[in-house]
Amino acid sequence: QKEVEQDPGPLSVPEGAIVSLNCTYSNSAFQYFMWYRQYSRKGPELLMYTYSSGNKEDGRFTAQVDKSSKYISLFIRDSQPSDSATYLCAMISSGGYNKLIFGAGTRLAVHP
Amino acid sequence: EAGVAQSPRYKIIEKRQSVAFWCNPISGHATLYWYQQILGQGPKLLIQFQNNGVVDDSQLPKDRFSAERLKGVDSTLKIQPAKLEDSAVYLCASSPRWGQGEETQYFGPGTRLLVL
Repeated sequence: QKEVEQDPGPLSVPEGAIVSLNCTYSNSAFQYFMWYRQYSRKGPELLMYTYSSGNKEDGRFTAQVDKSSKYISLFIRDSQPSDSATYLCAMISSGGYNKLIFGAGTRLAVHP
Repeated sequence: EAGVAQSPRYKIIEKRQSVAFWCNPISGHATLYWYQQILGQGPKLLIQFQNNGVVDDSQLPKDRFSAERLKGVDSTLKIQPAKLEDSAVYLCASSPRWGQGEETQYFGPGTRLLVL
């Protein structure tokens, strides 16, 4: 079993839709949770990070962490064609010396 | 602020050949990472440097992969000899400090390697 599971998609939505992206994990030591966005032929860039459980909002993006269910989510409101990319969840365990464990990534396409 | 630079951007080699990738991190960043991203998968950490010392190389196939970070700045990753399964994107990242917990990692554009 992989430490971090993520549905690879692809996910195709119309412009303006609310997008929900999810990851599950098995390692209860994970304390830091990130979402990275990766455009084609580019490196990943950090979108959101959350420490422990709870919600965090930044503009059209909301990250949620439910440690009791070992489940994290990223919501994108009013999705735009420019949001078309692969979204990678990533996690770090406490004492993990900043070692990121990534999910496989979900490919998102937002069509006009 | 300039980002993480990597070269070359693309490389095609035949199996059993050797190849080297170069990374120049963001100026002043103490920690440098090399990741391997196989098509359809998330990046996997190969090696992590703090300045010029190795913090974690537990997933580096040491029989064929080697990496160094001279003077705590630039880094090179070498594969010798290459195998077909080494075809992937090799990403370099850097972060300002080192320690436990979250440190934002800034990624370069990657080097796409195809082994024939």
